[in-house]
Amino acid sequence: EDQVTQSPEALRLQEGESSSLNCSYTVSGLRGLFWYRQDPGKGPEFLFTLYSAGEEKEKERLKATLTKKESFLHITAPKPEDSATYLCATHNAGNMLTFGGGTRLMVKP
Amino acid sequence: GAVVSQHPSWVICKSGTSVKIECRSLDFQATTMFWYRQFPKQSLMLMATSNEGSKATYEQGVEKDKFLINHASLTLSTLTVTSAHPEDSSFYICSASLGTSNNEQFFGPGTRLTVL
Repeated sequence: EDQVTQSPEALRLQEGESSSLNCSYTVSGLRGLFWYRQDPGKGPEFLFTLYSAGEEKEKERLKATLTKKESFLHITAPKPEDSATYLCATHNAGNMLTFGGGTRLMVKP
Repeated sequence: GAVVSQHPSWVICKSGTSVKIECRSLDFQATTMFWYRQFPKQSLMLMATSNEGSKATYEQGVEKDKFLINHASLTLSTLTVTSAHPEDSSFYICSASLGTSNNEQFFGPGTRLTVL
């Protein structure tokens, strides 16, 4: 059974304080790892897809990296508007997405 | 591109009634649509996968007679919560897949269901 674990569950940062969110996974036949941002009362918003170990993708203050066992979402100099829940999900050979529990990020001004 | 809508955004109903939630892919044809449920401060849990013109595949523990899914066209899937009870109150989110090799899923904005 595929398992995806995110840590920490919640993270409080001061504006400008860089940090990383972790997503550890055990997946049979990984076809991709997705990062999403979810604001309260809304559906997940796609951020990145990573397909192979060593791959990195960047978007504004966010950078996602992937190894064979985990993925990191690095947030550089975050702003209050980056506050949200960040979800990672793995896509397996059976076309199923398995979500982690999410990390609730709060950035204080 | 790849926009998915849901209707209604929120609904309040009495216990015992049925509620239908629509999921539409607005600018693409979705080979597969997925229905998720999300309880407060929890992550998304897949309820079922539906392919156009076929019966939905339900995840273990999800009652297919209670959560009726119809995927009649490549742009519309509906989820009907039958005989709703307060414990069915949740945030229901659909997603749609293009069916390409990476099978990326595009999510709708969600529907908040409250059963009184």
